[in-house]
Amino acid sequence: EAGVVQSPRYKIIEKKQPVAFWCNPISGHNTLYWYLQNLGQGPELLIRYENEEAVDDSQLPKDRFSAERLKGVDSTLKIQPAELGDSAVYLCASSFGTGRAGELFFGEGSRLTVL
Amino acid sequence: SQKIEQNSEALNIQEGKTATLTCNYTNYSPAYLQWYRQDPGRGPVFLLLIRENEKEKRKERLKVTFDTTLKQSLFHITASQPADSATYLCALPSAGSSNTGKLIFGQGTTLQVKP
Repeated sequence: EAGVVQSPRYKIIEKKQPVAFWCNPISGHNTLYWYLQNLGQGPELLIRYENEEAVDDSQLPKDRFSAERLKGVDSTLKIQPAELGDSAVYLCASSFGTGRAGELFFGEGSRLTVL
Repeated sequence: SQKIEQNSEALNIQEGKTATLTCNYTNYSPAYLQWYRQDPGRGPVFLLLIRENEKEKRKERLKVTFDTTLKQSLFHITASQPADSATYLCALPSAGSSNTGKLIFGQGTTLQVKP
């Protein structure tokens, strides 16, 4: 069974440029998460989807970040324009079902470097 | 607000010894706690979940304890091997979100097992 797939794995852009990250969760997983991880820190939640609904986006900087999960399957996270401080790893995770305590399955992450 | 603390200093131990990692939390009582392993350049991988009514949980060479009075979880790896070298993250459900799967992560502790 395929795991959570993210692309691109690495992206280098200049500040003020846009960037987009794509995530395909494990088949059948209703809940999808985007986390941000800075070097030496734990992942921090940006947004959580249950099916196609964003149920928690309180940590998403909405002035420059946006996300969508139109058909309740794959998802895209966009940053426009990127700033130097956005350099980090963007992790996507998925879990089975909604409203339950269970393990998260993470992708390998997309490492963003903003110059 | 809730706070999770893991020892930010790396833990260096000799192969064959038992590694013990600590996760402390404050300001609330989580219904469960999870431990993840993260290798460099990879996404976190789920290891164990322990619920508040469980004092201890084991999986092969791993043992997790959960002391709700001390607000602490201990993560033990017995007979450690160099392949156990990684960063270990503890994660708790966000306060008021025990049934949503929304996790808050500690900053992680890096374990280095020397042959």
